[in-house]
Amino acid sequence: QITLKESGPTLVKPTQTLTLTCTFSGFSLSTSGVGVGWIRQPPGKAPEWLSLIYWTDDKRYSPSLKSRLTITKDTSKNQVVLTMTNMGPVDRATYYCAHRRGYSSSGVFDYWGQGTLVTVSP
Amino acid sequence: QSVLTQPPSVSGAPGQRVTISCTGSSSNIGAGYVVHWYQQFPGTAPKLLIYEDNNRPSGVPDRFSGSKSGTSASLAITGLQVEDEADYYCQSYDINLSEVFGTGTKVTVL
Repeated sequence: QITLKESGPTLVKPTQTLTLTCTFSGFSLSTSGVGVGWIRQPPGKAPEWLSLIYWTDDKRYSPSLKSRLTITKDTSKNQVVLTMTNMGPVDRATYYCAHRRGYSSSGVFDYWGQGTLVTVSP
Repeated sequence: QSVLTQPPSVSGAPGQRVTISCTGSSSNIGAGYVVHWYQQFPGTAPKLLIYEDNNRPSGVPDRFSGSKSGTSASLAITGLQVEDEADYYCQSYDINLSEVFGTGTKVTVL
């Protein structure tokens, strides 16, 4: 059974760096074809893809946010960490991590964590 | 601002058939990239409903089906049920933007 859970601060100040951890079970990030992605969703809006990391350590980023994002994995701990710099009020959203099946443009996010709401405020 | 456009809302009576469109362009759906669909209830994470255009994960009722043609994809719900009232999102790949989600559609059961 695949499960994922996001953890990190629920409140950050403007200009600060957000660090989120995705802790998962039921799969290994050393298995071929597997990845973990981050997706965020502002309240009342559509999801927005942020980043992906594959078992090969291949990393992908949203072009519009690439300069602010860093994704890493710790296979031994079954964790993926996402950092986002220079947080602002528009970054208020629920942040999800998700299991990615398939190493290609046809890959799918088939299991999602419960999400964590991050607010940016002084 | 998504490059995949969906109608904001659709509605239907129980038992009816409703369809949700996902309109893209030649840089995503029209380029042949597959489309996935997710269902989301308030306060919960999106759940995979249809993958690779028209495949249902185990446990998804067969009243949900997907199709694709040209630069658009569609999700159909036949025999609409009260428990289908939720938000639905399409997702695909864009040559320029990478992973993209649709604008979302709220399904209301009358």
